[in-house]
Amino acid sequence: DVKVTQSSRYLVKRTGEKVFLECVQDMDHENMFWYRQDPGLGLRLIYFSYDVKMKEKGDIPEGYSVSREKKERFSLILESASTNQTSMYLCASGDHRETQYFGPGTRLLVL
Amino acid sequence: ILNVEQSPQSLHVQEGDSTNFTCSFPSSNFYALHWYRWETAKSPEALFVMTLNGDEKKKGRISATLNTKEGYSYLYIKGSQPEDSATYLCAFSGGSNYKLTFGKGTLLTVNP
Repeated sequence: DVKVTQSSRYLVKRTGEKVFLECVQDMDHENMFWYRQDPGLGLRLIYFSYDVKMKEKGDIPEGYSVSREKKERFSLILESASTNQTSMYLCASGDHRETQYFGPGTRLLVL
Repeated sequence: ILNVEQSPQSLHVQEGDSTNFTCSFPSSNFYALHWYRWETAKSPEALFVMTLNGDEKKKGRISATLNTKEGYSYLYIKGSQPEDSATYLCAFSGGSNYKLTFGKGTLLTVNP
C-alpha cells in the first residue's frame, strides 16, 4: 500500500518563527511536490523536486524554500512565518507525469 | 499560469440521483488529465488518468470521458450515494514539465 506521511496534522506557530514541514514517501518516487490548499483557490503548487537536491519553483514559491537531501524526504521551510501562510499544506509524490499520491495534509495556523 | 476550470463549484443531489460535472483545460500541449476525489479529513485519492482523446474510464459507478480537441472532461456518478460526498478535482498535465495544474474542484454533497 502506497504511503506518503507528513510530520504533523496540525501546527500552531507564531509570526516570525521558522517552520519545517516534513514529508516522507515509501514508493521510491522520483518526484515530490508541496501544495497549499485555501478556500476558493484550489490546490496551488509551491515547489517540486524531480531528483535529490533538485528543486523547481511552482506557482507560489514566495516565502518558502525546500530541501531534498534524500529521495524519500522532501521538506518545506517557512523561513519567517507570516499570517498569510496559514493554510492546509499537502505533500505528494509520483513518477514522471503519473498519478500523484498525497499525504494527509498539515493544517498550519500562524498567529 | 494555466487555466483549469471546474463547474459547478458545488452540487447537492439526493441519494440515487445521477450527476455529472465538467473540467475544462487548455487544448494545446496536452499530456494527461487526472481526476481525484478528496473526502473531508482524508488525502486526495486518484480516480482516473486519461491521456487519449475519446478515452472513457470507469470505476464502479463513476466514469469519465475526455475530449482533448476541445479541452474538456466530464465526470459522471450513477446512482449517487452519501459516501460519494467529496470534492472532485481535475488536474491537467501538459507541455514538457512534471507539474499538475489543478482546478478548484466541485464539492458534491449527496443527501440521504
